[in-house]
Amino acid sequence: AQKITQTQPGMFVQEKEAVTLDCTYDTSDPSYGLFWYKQPSSGEMIFLIYQGSYDQQNATEGRYSLNFQKARKSANLVISASQLGDSAMYFCAMRESSSARQLTFGSGTQLTVLP
Amino acid sequence: DVKVTQSSRYLVKRTGEKVFLECVQDMDHENMFWYRQDPGLGLRLIYFSYDVKMKEKGDIPEGYSVSREKKERFSLILESASTNQTSMYLCASSPRPPNTGELFFGEGSRLTVL
Repeated sequence: AQKITQTQPGMFVQEKEAVTLDCTYDTSDPSYGLFWYKQPSSGEMIFLIYQGSYDQQNATEGRYSLNFQKARKSANLVISASQLGDSAMYFCAMRESSSARQLTFGSGTQLTVLP
Repeated sequence: DVKVTQSSRYLVKRTGEKVFLECVQDMDHENMFWYRQDPGLGLRLIYFSYDVKMKEKGDIPEGYSVSREKKERFSLILESASTNQTSMYLCASSPRPPNTGELFFGEGSRLTVL
């Protein structure tokens, strides 16, 4: 079974609008962490936001917020006020306590921001 | 500023050649990783290392080996390159726990095997 599922291969959003990128995960570990990375066309992976499984509040970092719904095992990324520079591939990833060091990644969502 | 450096951004090799992909980090991180990225498949872990001379297989180690002789350097080796190893290769590092486990990535090496 896939541990991280991103069901949207591609998304379009109008500039200045908000967009939600979906991510569901599968783990039986009680302790885990969820990450979102951005990969522009240049190729580098940019860390955006982190949510721990025991964190009470949803994580936020500037225009990025993580909509964490533990019972549904979802960790959707919300980007507010989209900018042209947000056009990139976005990856959701998980670190499980049973495999403390490596991250497991989803297949990614290609976001295109339209002017 | 933290830095993970991969030696080559683009490589073109012939089938059967031995290929070395080098990765160096300057953050004194204990953990280092090699991922492979393919369209529609995301990033898949090839090998990782949590200490000098230590290595662990990831999800897709077949056809690859690694070397970590120094803490800052982690090399990925393709003993006999094949066309199905044409891909983007990403190196990453992270410090020893406790921490979030965030990975710091290099810029990637795009390998084409002809």
